[in-house]
Amino acid sequence: QKEVEQNSGPLSVPEGAIASLNCTYSDRVSQSFFWYRQYSGKSPELIMSIYSNGDKEDGRFTAQLNKASQYVSLLIRDSQPSDSATYLCAVIPGAGSYQLTFGKGTKLSVIP
Amino acid sequence: EADIYQTPRYLVIGTGKKITLECSQTMGHDKMYWYQQDPGMELHLIHYSYGVNSTEKGDLSSESTVSRIRTEHFPLTLESARPSHTSQYLCASSVKPQGMTEAFFGQGTRLTVV
Repeated sequence: QKEVEQNSGPLSVPEGAIASLNCTYSDRVSQSFFWYRQYSGKSPELIMSIYSNGDKEDGRFTAQLNKASQYVSLLIRDSQPSDSATYLCAVIPGAGSYQLTFGKGTKLSVIP
Repeated sequence: EADIYQTPRYLVIGTGKKITLECSQTMGHDKMYWYQQDPGMELHLIHYSYGVNSTEKGDLSSESTVSRIRTEHFPLTLESARPSHTSQYLCASSVKPQGMTEAFFGQGTRLTVV
């Protein structure tokens, strides 16, 4: 059973809109959650990390975590064409574990 | 800012050759990882290390081997390259600032075996 699930997309949003990316995970004791952005042919870039229930905002990005529902999301406000990329959800499952497990990624296209 | 370096960035090599992909980080991170990623596909963990002289296999079976003799260095070796090894190999390292882990990637090595 895949530990981290994402809708592969593609997700298309118009420029200026809010893009909403979702991720669920299977390990209830997971404690660390990350969103990476990966442009085609490039390596993943860490854009957000979240560890506590609730929202965490950084510029146009907001990460939301709900541990009871085993759900983490990323909102991108005022989407720009430069945000077009694949967004990877990653989880460190279980206490004492340091294995970073990735979902398959959601491809986002922001249409000018 | 992450300081993790992979060399070479691109490698084309013949079948049967031995190759070593280099990964170094200057941040003093104790945990390091190797991932394999085919174009447009997901990342698969193939090896990881929690520190010097500690290496483990990841979720995806790989014919490669790794070593961790120094904290900053985590090379990956293929004894006999095959076309099925053609892929992108990504190295990452992680740290726990204030108890919270964050992981950063190198730029990757794109390997082609002909």
